[in-house]
Amino acid sequence: AQSVTQPDARVTVSEGASLQLRCKYSYSGTPYLFWYVQYPRQGLQLLLKYYSGDPVVQGVNGFEAEFSKSNSSFHLRKASVHWSDSAVYFCALRRTGGYKVVFGSGTRLLVSP
Amino acid sequence: NAGVIQTPRHKVTGKGQEATLWCEPISGHSAVFWYRQTIVQGLEFLTYFRNQAPIDDSGMPKERFSAQMPNQSHSTLKIQSTQPQDSAVYLCASSSPGLEVFFGKGTRLTVV
Repeated sequence: AQSVTQPDARVTVSEGASLQLRCKYSYSGTPYLFWYVQYPRQGLQLLLKYYSGDPVVQGVNGFEAEFSKSNSSFHLRKASVHWSDSAVYFCALRRTGGYKVVFGSGTRLLVSP
Repeated sequence: NAGVIQTPRHKVTGKGQEATLWCEPISGHSAVFWYRQTIVQGLEFLTYFRNQAPIDDSGMPKERFSAQMPNQSHSTLKIQSTQPQDSAVYLCASSSPGLEVFFGKGTRLTVV
């Protein structure tokens, strides 16, 4: 069975600082990986996805993530955060050829002025 | 493309009443998912349908909860005899093979 772990429940960074949110997965094959963001009172919105190829994928609003098969990780990064990036971020996995998506527990990001 | 549409956005029910939540998936998507989100439990998978057929309901509470997909344009999640612990945001999502999952904005259910 597959699983996703986001070890940091909360992360606080200063505006303008760089950001890394961690995601580790458990799956024997090569998964499809996603990062979603959830703003208050909204559904989840896709930030970026990895299916294959270049392990560094670019997303919206300056976010990027790097897939590492050896480390079973898919960490999210941003070079300079803005106060509007404050939200909950979810890492998710879907096995190749599958439908069901497994989500991590989420990381709440607070960007302080 | 209006995205996944969930109605109502907010619902308040009295303890013991029935609640029905509606979801209209994105046209052409073959899979529909239901999730429940609370502060304590986070995002919990409930059930999903593929081509209208129920595939996996491993997350559904065994009593009082049921989900249906009578046609490709909508799915419902029904909770009978609602209890305060059912209060949560219920998220519907849809997808097709090879695509990411698209979420609706959710229905916030409050049981008083």
